Amino acid sequence: RKEVEQDPGPFNVPEGATVAFNCTYSNSASQSFFWYRQDCRKEPKLLMSVYSSGNEDGRFTAQLNRASQYISLLIRDSKLSDSATYLCVVTPGDSWGKLQFGAGTQVVVTP
Amino acid sequence: SQTIHQWPATLVQPVGSPLSLECTVEGTSNPNLYWYRQAAGRGLQLLFYSVGIGQISSEVPQNLSASRPQDRQFILSSKKLLLSDSGFYLCAWRGLAIEQYFGPGTRLTVT
Repeated sequence: RKEVEQDPGPFNVPEGATVAFNCTYSNSASQSFFWYRQDCRKEPKLLMSVYSSGNEDGRFTAQLNRASQYISLLIRDSKLSDSATYLCVVTPGDSWGKLQFGAGTQVVVTP
Repeated sequence: SQTIHQWPATLVQPVGSPLSLECTVEGTSNPNLYWYRQAAGRGLQLLFYSVGIGQISSEVPQNLSASRPQDRQFILSSKKLLLSDSGFYLCAWRGLAIEQYFGPGTRLTVT
C-alpha cells in the first residue's frame, strides 16, 4: 500500500464549477499536511497547509479527517488558471522534516 | 526573502558520463536541504537530505551521491549515469513550519 494515495484524475471541471478530491495516508502518526500545486514541467509550489479544524484560503478549502486518515481539497469557482496537478503531502513525523508526496491529482478546467 | 537556485535547467548526457547538479539557497542559514527526483508521470522520490554541512542522509540506494560543502550549497553527483537516472531533479529547503520550498529543477535526459 502506498503511504499517500491520490486519484490521478483527470478531473475535468467547467470554469466556475466546484471540484473536490481526497487523498488518503497510511501513517496514523503523521502530524503535518499540505497541498502543493504543480504546473506542467514546473516545480511544486506550496498551495496551503491543512489544519485539524480545516482551513480556507480564498477559493480553496482544505479539510483533515484524522479518524479516516484522509485530507481533502475543494476548489470553488474554478478558473482556467487552476488547471494543474495537486499534490497531497504528509509528514511521517520524524525530526528531519521529510515529506511524503502523493503522485498527484490532475485538474483540468475547461472554458 | 529566501530564494533557491538550481542549475543547469536542462541537461542531456550520455549513459556512463558523470553528473553534477548544484543547488544554492539564499536568505537563510543552516537550512535542511533535500534532493528529489520525479520520473515522468510519477510522484516525487526523496533521494538525499542534509541537516548541515557535511551531513548527508541517503533515502534510496543508487548510483547517485550528494554533498554539502557549504551551508547553503547542496550538490548531487554521479560517476556514471544510467538510463534510469533520467528525470526531473528538484532541490528543496525546509521552512519554519516543516513545509518545503522547491527550486526550479533540472530536467535530465540520459541518452
